[in-house]
Amino acid sequence: AQSVTQLGSHVSVSEGALVLLRCNYSSSVPPYLFWYVQYPNQGLQLLLKYTTGATLVKGINGFEAEFKKSETSFHLTKPSAHMSDAAEYFCAVTSTGNQFYFGTGTSLTVIP
Amino acid sequence: GAVVSQHPSRVICKSGTSVKIECRSLDFQATTMFWYRQFPKQSLMLMATSNEGSKATYEQGVEKDKFLINHASLTLSTLTVTSAHPEDSSFYICSASGAVQDNEQFFGPGTRLTVL
Repeated sequence: AQSVTQLGSHVSVSEGALVLLRCNYSSSVPPYLFWYVQYPNQGLQLLLKYTTGATLVKGINGFEAEFKKSETSFHLTKPSAHMSDAAEYFCAVTSTGNQFYFGTGTSLTVIP
Repeated sequence: GAVVSQHPSRVICKSGTSVKIECRSLDFQATTMFWYRQFPKQSLMLMATSNEGSKATYEQGVEKDKFLINHASLTLSTLTVTSAHPEDSSFYICSASGAVQDNEQFFGPGTRLTVL
């Protein structure tokens, strides 16, 4: 079975500060890991994904995440927060592509 | 590439009526489509998985007679909410994956259903 835990349902950062959104997963098979962003009343937009290869993955809008197998983590970071980053972020894991397991989401607030 | 559209984006209907939501993959063949439901401030809940030409597989607790899913072609799946009631009001999101999409799902923009 697979599952995803996102620590912190709400995260607030100042504009220009580091963004760190945590994601831990459980999987008995090699996982594929994803981060999605959702703006109000919109669908999910893929930020980045890890499938195989390099464990540090760079995505859109300056975000990146590092797959750490030993820690079963896939935390999302951005060096400098922008007001437009305020949104809901979801981490997801799958091994087949058919069954996605989503975390409960983290709401990011950026304080001017 | 890999664009998924949904129509309508918003729908308001009276209690007891049926509503059909379309999900289309615009630039790839979607062998599998997924329907999710999202309540306010919550994560996505998978409702059902459909493969082209086959009956949908529903998740536990999802009424298949209430939420009719059709996946008649490789680019179109529909979700029909039959005899809608206010508790069916929600945000419905579809996603699609194809044979060459490397274990990834591509999400539609969602449909906001409000049942009065």
